[in-house]
Amino acid sequence: DAGITQSPRHKVTETGTPVTLRCHQTENHRYMYWYRQDPGHGLRLIHYSYGVKDTDKGEVSDGYSVSRSKTEDFLLTLESATSSQTSVYFCAIGAALLAGELFFGEGSRLTVL
Amino acid sequence: GQQVMQIPQYQHVQEGEDFTTYCNSSTTLSNIQWYKQRPGGHPVFLIQLVKSGEVKKQKRLTFQFGEAKKNSSLHITATQTTDVGTYFCAGFTGTASKLTFGTGTRLQVTL
Repeated sequence: DAGITQSPRHKVTETGTPVTLRCHQTENHRYMYWYRQDPGHGLRLIHYSYGVKDTDKGEVSDGYSVSRSKTEDFLLTLESATSSQTSVYFCAIGAALLAGELFFGEGSRLTVL
Repeated sequence: GQQVMQIPQYQHVQEGEDFTTYCNSSTTLSNIQWYKQRPGGHPVFLIQLVKSGEVKKQKRLTFQFGEAKKNSSLHITATQTTDVGTYFCAGFTGTASKLTFGTGTRLQVTL
């Protein structure tokens, strides 16, 4: 498996609190992605990064922000968590633009009460 | 925006039966990828198709990319219980450096 780890793996929090999920890679891949997975919706892209300090929005970016200060780390922040953000979050990394497989982390299950 | 739909959403087969999932995009794709996610696991890459009309095989799995590069299919011959999971197609369009996933097809296989 590719060297990609997500933390925390499980988190329960309350509405209105900030939450940060971390994705760490040891593969030196340029591209990093955050997806959320919900029943009936498949995997939806939240934000992605194409280099250090270079990020862009995906299809469901409202309520989320990201940062990438180092090649190996990509942080996803929920400034004020809502119950609609209860989901499983997957980080993915990729080496190539427009081609090549993505390697996924194990996922972070977030529950917002 | 780009939409990628898959049908069926769910299929239950008996071991030994064949299975097919179909992927349809609202826009032309530069390439298409297929992933498998086991229950409780993370998506794992299976294959990538690039050329119009391309067909690739991996043992019992056959992948096809449509002539117009807007649809794809995955066919599994003689399913086994190890095939259980959710199968996702995913595609890149134009110059976007992001992969859009289909809605997935969940396969259940029983003895």
